Amino acid sequence: KQEVTQIPAALSVPEGENLVLNCSFTDSAIYNLQWFRQDPGKGLTSLLLIQSSQREQTSGRLNASLDKSSGRSTLYIAASQPGDSATYLCAVNDQGGSEKLVFGKGTKLTVNP
Amino acid sequence: DAEITQSPRHKITETGRQVTLACHQTWNHNNMFWYRQDLGHGLRLIHYSYGVQDTNKGEVSDGYSVSRSNTEDLPLTLESAASSQTSVYFCASSRGVRWEQFFGPGTRLTVL
Repeated sequence: KQEVTQIPAALSVPEGENLVLNCSFTDSAIYNLQWFRQDPGKGLTSLLLIQSSQREQTSGRLNASLDKSSGRSTLYIAASQPGDSATYLCAVNDQGGSEKLVFGKGTKLTVNP
Repeated sequence: DAEITQSPRHKITETGRQVTLACHQTWNHNNMFWYRQDLGHGLRLIHYSYGVQDTNKGEVSDGYSVSRSNTEDLPLTLESAASSQTSVYFCASSRGVRWEQFFGPGTRLTVL
């Protein structure tokens, strides 16, 4: 059974700092990996999608990498801003029969002015 | 712009009542999903559909049902609501297996 882990569960940084969020998964048989942002009381906003054949994707100040063989992904946020404060969720699109997203429990990021 | 909507956004109901949560998407996506989000458990898949008349059970499907009569809608029904079904419910859709999933704003359901 696929399991997705995100460490740390919470992270607090000063504004302007570059930071890395980590995601690991137990089964490398995935179609892709998706990073989401969730603001309190809101839905999930898709940030980046990395296909299993890709190594990284970039969008603005965000860069996500994927090492499928080791079961790891990182989300790099450059020059963090208070508006980046949110919970970041990692999810893998699992090939294991049902083709569904398996989510980690998220990292709650606080960027302090 | 294409979007995915959910209604109602908030609902309070009593134990034993039947409840239906609506999900509507205008992207013409084939795949639609229902998840619930709970503290300590994260997001878990309830049911999903790959097209009209297709429905499949997810990880936590007991007590829930769905039907897909058209491309745009996937209503989620709680046959007899239980307090354990108090949660935030999210609907999502995607073009296909290798494509992004897009999420609705969620429905917060409280079962008293």
